[in-house]
Amino acid sequence: DQQVKQNSPSLSVQEGRISILNCDYTNSMFDYFLWYKKYPAEGPTFLISISSIKDKNEDGRFTVFLNKSAKHLSLHIVPSQPGDSAVYFCAADRGNEKLTFGTGTRLTIIP
Amino acid sequence: DTEVTQTPKHLVMGMTNKKSLKCEQHMGHRAMYWYKQKAKKPPELMFVYSYEKLSINESVPSRFSPECPNSSLLNLHLHALQPEDSALYLCASSPPGGRQGPMNTEAFFGQGTRLTVV
Repeated sequence: DQQVKQNSPSLSVQEGRISILNCDYTNSMFDYFLWYKKYPAEGPTFLISISSIKDKNEDGRFTVFLNKSAKHLSLHIVPSQPGDSAVYFCAADRGNEKLTFGTGTRLTIIP
Repeated sequence: DTEVTQTPKHLVMGMTNKKSLKCEQHMGHRAMYWYKQKAKKPPELMFVYSYEKLSINESVPSRFSPECPNSSLLNLHLHALQPEDSALYLCASSPPGGRQGPMNTEAFFGQGTRLTVV
């Protein structure tokens, strides 16, 4: 039972354009959401997070949007840069020290 | 120091071998984790230590044995593994549970140990 899903396994975006990565969840007990970026053969690196009491959080080029009623969150990267090419995982937490990861989306930025 | 350091980076072991993976952090985090990641899959939680005590075991086979000697170190002892246990093993740490702020559950991950069982 995949409680956190990223329905697009891959995404290609032109450099300078906006990248939008999507994530859906099913467990309404999740109240904190995180995005991680992962390069091959490396551990995930934390990018940005959002609490369920907010609907938007912004950090530089990265913005995360949360729609609680739809159980949906998205990560916007603008402008996209070649170094953004990686696998992006969303993760959800319900306060029990246990992150549940999504299936990942491979983002490729085309120069 | 905002690093989680894992050693070794790569490990090849036979099915009868005993080996250990090591993880170290000096951020004062009191929660430490082992995750397993197979190719093209998300990381899967194996164990959580909170204040040096095992708080979560995700029904991991006993051939994997975690140990937390102190608040900075986390080991994963391996014995009689199977080829299907080959994966990237990730260690992570985070501030303790009990939310105190919006960033409290950010987990820092190590680079991982690429394990191959032959």
